[in-house]
Amino acid sequence: GENVEQHPSTLSVQEGDSAVIKCTYSDSASNYFPWYKQELGKRPQLIIDIRSNVGEKKDQRIAVTLNKTAKHFSLHITETQPEDSAVYFCAALSYNTDKLIFGTGTRLQVFP
Amino acid sequence: DTGVSQDPRHKITKRGQNVTFRCDPISEHNRLYWYRQTLGQGPEFLTYFQNEAQLEKSRLLSDRFSAERPKGSFSTLEIQRTEQGDSAMYLCASSPPGQGAGTQYFGPGTRLTVL
Repeated sequence: GENVEQHPSTLSVQEGDSAVIKCTYSDSASNYFPWYKQELGKRPQLIIDIRSNVGEKKDQRIAVTLNKTAKHFSLHITETQPEDSAVYFCAALSYNTDKLIFGTGTRLQVFP
Repeated sequence: DTGVSQDPRHKITKRGQNVTFRCDPISEHNRLYWYRQTLGQGPEFLTYFQNEAQLEKSRLLSDRFSAERPKGSFSTLEIQRTEQGDSAMYLCASSPPGQGAGTQYFGPGTRLTVL
């Protein structure tokens, strides 16, 4: 069935360093890949997304890359700040269905 | 607040009781989704509506769960004969027409605790 794997499960970085979170998906029909940030006790918030016709997308300090052949996509955060600390979820959506399949999350801690 | 809203935010119930949650999507969003999230996990898809039509249900949605969206606006999720395993955060999301199903905006969730 559809599956999204996410690594690492936890990530600790020093403020100013970069952070990279990686996901792989199983459904070759997946064509949309959002990333959500969830702070403790709050709703998941969409921070960036990418569609399958694009290989890379950037928004200020956040970027996402997609390798359709290898079926993996990554989130890159540069110049990390303590307020980047949260749980990040990747997800994949297949054009055959309308449901997002989420990864298991990465807890990012940015130390001042 | 023009975002997705959910009510109640917290619900504590005893095993065997029925509970109902409400979700109000962003105005004019025609797609509405329900997810369940347990501690340390990503949201798991339960069901979704396009307007008033329920188009897909996960096998996670046992016959104790039912969802409705009678007028294509707000939606309710009912759990009958609750079990301790139903304890979770129930998230609602909505998606506007024309942008594809993927662009989903989440509500704050209803945290259910079954004692």
